[in-house]
Amino acid sequence: EDKVVQSPLSLVVHEGDTVTLNCSYEVTNFRSLLWYKQEKKAPTFLFMLTSSGIEKKSGRLSSILDKKELFSILNITATQTGDSAIYLCAVLTGANNLFFGTGTRLTVIP
Amino acid sequence: NAGVTQTPKFRILKIGQSMTLQCAQDMNHNYMYWYRQDPGMGLKLIYYSVGAGITDKGEVPNGYNVSRSTTEDFPLRLELAAPSQTSVYFCASSQDRHTEAFFGQGTRLTVV
Repeated sequence: EDKVVQSPLSLVVHEGDTVTLNCSYEVTNFRSLLWYKQEKKAPTFLFMLTSSGIEKKSGRLSSILDKKELFSILNITATQTGDSAIYLCAVLTGANNLFFGTGTRLTVIP
Repeated sequence: NAGVTQTPKFRILKIGQSMTLQCAQDMNHNYMYWYRQDPGMGLKLIYYSVGAGITDKGEVPNGYNVSRSTTEDFPLRLELAAPSQTSVYFCASSQDRHTEAFFGQGTRLTVV
């Protein structure tokens, strides 16, 4: 059974802290791994990772994939209150499924 | 620049009623998906389509039906609503399986 597991389930940090969100997966025929940010409504796309070891970066956010260990991390440095959201990890499989984890709820307090 | 449009935004149904959740995209995407998201949970795939006339079941298809007669539209049908179908429903589309999915704003459905 395909599985995407995110940890921690929730996290509370102070502004300025650095956080690392984890995503592990077990799927048949892995294609790519995606990170989304979900605030009040629809998830918005952050990164797509297909190759191991290549860091993707966008401002204070970065992510990397390890296809050998079936693992990805999402880093957020110098967190701001606007980073408060649910961060979703999803794996795209060969069966054309975009399979989501349960998400990590991040709360950044001033 | 509409992207993915879902209607309605909110709906309350009585047990046993039926309804159709509408989803339309204007990006000429081949792939379309329907997800449900229960409180505190991730998204679970209900059905997906890789092109007009082609649909397939996802993780949780029971109690739902879909059709894809055009590239733009991918409606989700609930025939006999049950309280377990109370959820937020998201429609998404992507150009192909190698690109990211874009999401609609969701439909909050309550079955009482």
